[in-house]
Amino acid sequence: AQSVTQLDSHVSVSEGTPVLLRCNYSSSYSPSLFWYVQHPNKGLQLLLKYTSAATLVKGINGFEAEFKKSETSFHLTKPSAHMSDAAEYFCVVSEGSGSARQLTFGSGTQLTVLP
Amino acid sequence: DVKVTQSSRYLVKRTGEKVFLECVQDMDHENMFWYRQDPGLGLRLIYFSYDVKMKEKGDIPEGYSVSREKKERFSLILESASTNQTSMYLCASRYRTDSFYEQYFGPGTRLTVT
Repeated sequence: AQSVTQLDSHVSVSEGTPVLLRCNYSSSYSPSLFWYVQHPNKGLQLLLKYTSAATLVKGINGFEAEFKKSETSFHLTKPSAHMSDAAEYFCVVSEGSGSARQLTFGSGTQLTVLP
Repeated sequence: DVKVTQSSRYLVKRTGEKVFLECVQDMDHENMFWYRQDPGLGLRLIYFSYDVKMKEKGDIPEGYSVSREKKERFSLILESASTNQTSMYLCASRYRTDSFYEQYFGPGTRLTVT
């Protein structure tokens, strides 16, 4: 069985400072991992994905994430926050094939960026 | 660019009404999904469709049904709307069932049942 834990439900940073959104996963197989972002009243947009290639994954808008198998983590980072980064972020684990039950969403982290 | 569209952004219905939420994708994706999103509960899967005329129950299928007669269209049906179905409904599609394919989401339909 797989699971995803987003360790912080809310994160607040000042504009121009680094962002760290934490995600730990549990998986029986070699998973694929995704980060999505949801701006207010919008659908979810893919930020980046890991699918067993390079462990450091670069995404859109300056975000990146590192897959660490030993720590079962896939934390999302950005060197310098921008006001437009304020949104909710979801970590997703996907394993195997054949059923949508192989997709598990984290509960989300709300990022606030202070001026 | 993949585009997933949903028929309404906002919808207000009365208790007991039959409600149809439509989702259309334009990239010939095999898989389509319906989720509901509630504060503090994240996304919960209602139904999933592997391909045309195929469906699988998700985690919270009670009170809902789905229809997939054409590959590009996936409909969510609330047989008799109730106030506890007030929520944001998100549709998504995915190229195929393999784990490394990402989902593409529509903008969502905010449904209020009064």
